[in-house]
Formats: sequence, C-alpha cells, structure tokens
Amino acid sequence: AQSVTQLGSHVSVSEGALVLLRCNYSSSVPPYLFWYVQYPNQGLQLLLKYTSAATLVKGINGFEAEFKKSETSFHLTKPSAHMSDAAEYFCAVNLGQAGTALIFGKGTTLSVSS
Amino acid sequence: EAGVTQSPTHLIKTRGQQATLRCSPISGHTSVYWYQQALGLGLQFLLWYDEGEERNRGNFPPRFSGRQFPNYSSELNVNALELEDSALYLCASSLGTTFSYNEQFFGPGTRLTVL
Repeated sequence: AQSVTQLGSHVSVSEGALVLLRCNYSSSVPPYLFWYVQYPNQGLQLLLKYTSAATLVKGINGFEAEFKKSETSFHLTKPSAHMSDAAEYFCAVNLGQAGTALIFGKGTTLSVSS
Repeated sequence: EAGVTQSPTHLIKTRGQQATLRCSPISGHTSVYWYQQALGLGLQFLLWYDEGEERNRGNFPPRFSGRQFPNYSSELNVNALELEDSALYLCASSLGTTFSYNEQFFGPGTRLTVL
C-alpha cells in the first residue's frame, strides 16, 4: 500500500524567502512522486514529477524537489517566494503504471506576505 | 491543444436527487479518472475508465457510477445525493494502458453542492 504525509497544513513565508514544503511517502515498490499546485477554484496543475530518473527534479515556476530514498522524502523547495506562489500544494504518489490512482497528501496551503 | 474540460462548473442539487457530471479528455487520451475533493477529506480516487470500460474504483458506494463513451468522454453519476457528497469533483485524463507511464492531466473541476 502507498501513502503520503504532508507535514504542516499551512506554511507562511515572506516574499523573497525560501519555500520548503515537506512530503514523506510510504511505498512497497519504487514510487512515482508528484507535486501539484491548486489555485483557488481551479483544478490541479503539475509542478514536477519524479519517475526514477534523476533524484533532483526541476519543475515549473522555479520549484524543485529532491527524492531521498533513505529518508522516504520528496520535499518541495523554491529559493525565493513570490506573491503568486500563494496556493495549495499537494504531494502525490502512484506506481506510475497505467490506471494506477494517484494517492494524495492532505495538502499544504502556502501563504506569502509582502 | 485543448486541455481536459468539465461541465458544469457548478451544480446545486437537493438531497436524494441525482447529479450528472461530464468530462472531455485531452485529444488522444483514452483513460479518464475521477477524483473527489471534499472538505476535510482531501483528494480521493473515485473511478478509472479506459477504452469504454470501468477498470478500477476507489472506496465509494455503488451510487457513484459512470460511463465512458466511444469518443472517450466520460460521465459521473451520483445517485441518491447526500449532504456529504458536496465536493469538488476533478476529472483527469491520460494515455491508455499500452503506454508504460501515464501522466494524469486534470480539468478545472465541477463544484457539487447538495442542499
């Protein structure tokens, strides 16, 4: 069985500060890992994905994440927050095979203050 | 290229009624997934359709059902609506099972409110 735990339901940062959103996973087989962003009243947009290639994954909007098998983590970072980064972020895991459902974390709401 | 589209954007029903939600996948995608995003429960997998057949379902009662049409669009039906069915319903599409890895692309969702 697979699961995802996002530590911290709400993270607040100042504009220009480092963004760190935490995600830990549990999987009995090598996982595929994803970070999605959801803006108010919108669907999910893929930020980045890990599919067993490079462990440091770069995504859109300056975000990146590092897969650490020993820590079963896939934390999302951005060096400098922007006001437009305020949104809800979801970490997700699946087997990467056709038809396998995405298992989502509970989400982390990121607030950015000026 | 058009993304995943869903209709309607908002839907208001009363308890006991039936709701029908629609999804059109990205051109070339044959798999459609439905997820429920309910307040306090997060995002949960509902159903997966591929090539016109239901392939997998999540832990939801049978009153949640759907179908996939020959053009790969899909319909989600929720019968005997209950208040706790109020949620954002997200549809995603991906390439079919002949591909080894299938990224899921999400639509904007349908907000269902049950009064």
